[in-house]
Amino acid sequence: NAGVTQTPKFRILKIGQSMTLQCTQDMNHNYMYWYRQDPGMGLKLIYYSVGAGITDKGEVPNGYNVSRSTTEDFPLRLELAAPSQTSVYFCASRRTSGSPSYNEQFFGPGTRLTVL
Amino acid sequence: RKEVEQDPGPFNVPEGATVAFNCTYSNSASQSFFWYRQDCRKEPKLLMSVYSSGNEDGRFTAQLNRASQYISLLIRDSKLSDSATYLCVVNLDTGRRALTFGSGTRLQVQP
Repeated sequence: NAGVTQTPKFRILKIGQSMTLQCTQDMNHNYMYWYRQDPGMGLKLIYYSVGAGITDKGEVPNGYNVSRSTTEDFPLRLELAAPSQTSVYFCASRRTSGSPSYNEQFFGPGTRLTVL
Repeated sequence: RKEVEQDPGPFNVPEGATVAFNCTYSNSASQSFFWYRQDCRKEPKLLMSVYSSGNEDGRFTAQLNRASQYISLLIRDSKLSDSATYLCVVNLDTGRRALTFGSGTRLQVQP
């Protein structure tokens, strides 16, 4: 299993540009999440999904959009990039139920985004 | 007040030392508790879950005090490889099962 994969690893955007951050998991997890981590800070939830076709906002959704057409993929779209969106973006997934450790989230390696 | 608070450190300790981190959380309805480890510029990885009765995994011991709303992590016999940021993580929202992260405590183990 590859686990959770994210592309690209790095990206520099100009203000006002758009891009899509890709996230794929091969563990058949229903729950998927997007977080951002600013320097010296904890992770903040942007959007999440409890299954294909179902998404909802987290703490900091403004400026982002998501879709979930399949169990495996959960892309994050940035429209009109702003310097405040400079951050590291992590995608994560989790089993729906099962063993006592079902709350464990598995993270992708992250995408480092700079908006200039 | 932050939902999950940690001392950012850094904690600089010599190899072999014992070091303890604490974390407090604000929501008494929190249900699940974890310590994640994050190496520099890498993704967080689960170190251990924290149970009310306390639990141990090798050199690592985690404790939960629900009455005082704090969580602790004790690392014995520190190794150079323990150098990392330790994130205190709480499950506050049972609906979406998303995690709320503290800002992390940085540990630097020195030779």
